[in-house]
Amino acid sequence: NAGVTQTPKFRVLKTGQSMTLLCAQDMNHEYMYWYRQDPGMGLRLIHYSVGEGTTAKGEVPDGYNVSRLKKQNFLLGLESAAPSQTSVYFCASRINSNQPQHFGDGTRLSIL
Amino acid sequence: GENVEQHPSTLSVQEGDSAVIKCTYSDSASNYFPWYKQELGKRPQLIIDIRSNVGEKKDQRIAVTLNKTAKHFSLHITETQPEDSAVYFCAAHTPRMDSSYKLIFGSGTRLLVRP
Repeated sequence: NAGVTQTPKFRVLKTGQSMTLLCAQDMNHEYMYWYRQDPGMGLRLIHYSVGEGTTAKGEVPDGYNVSRLKKQNFLLGLESAAPSQTSVYFCASRINSNQPQHFGDGTRLSIL
Repeated sequence: GENVEQHPSTLSVQEGDSAVIKCTYSDSASNYFPWYKQELGKRPQLIIDIRSNVGEKKDQRIAVTLNKTAKHFSLHITETQPEDSAVYFCAAHTPRMDSSYKLIFGSGTRLLVRP
């Protein structure tokens, strides 16, 4: 039982490049989330999913897209990376309402 | 909109002393309040949580209190140890009509326990 696994752990991109961050969970959780963490700003929700095939916008969705084709995977895409998207990205999942979220180890993304 | 304010942003205590971190939330419908600890370069990890039907919860050296009337909740760490040094985040969960929920995080408190 690996919990929540994020790949890659680190990545450096040039402005305008695209990439996809992968989040995988093996706990059969329905709900999955993508956050970004910036210094002094805590965790901000980008997009989330309440089940396979569904996605919804969070607090800061602009510049990102997501997909949940399989229950265990939640993908975060950057179509045209911008320096403002330099951040640490955390994925989280939970089994149902009123239960705590379990976080992955994070992906450190730098955009030059 | 919904908001969670957390204070202080930094806290330095002597080993063995107590530490208190306070959060206030804006949405009276919020009903679940987790606290996360994040060590440098690591993932946030749940350390304790409390639901709105409970006023206080304790787990060894860690306790959380909730005042629903005032819309604030606090984390108390007693007999602090150097390994308690980390960033602590509070959060408030508000249920939504579409059965999802929104978890709003505070901005974090950097706790330093001096040996």
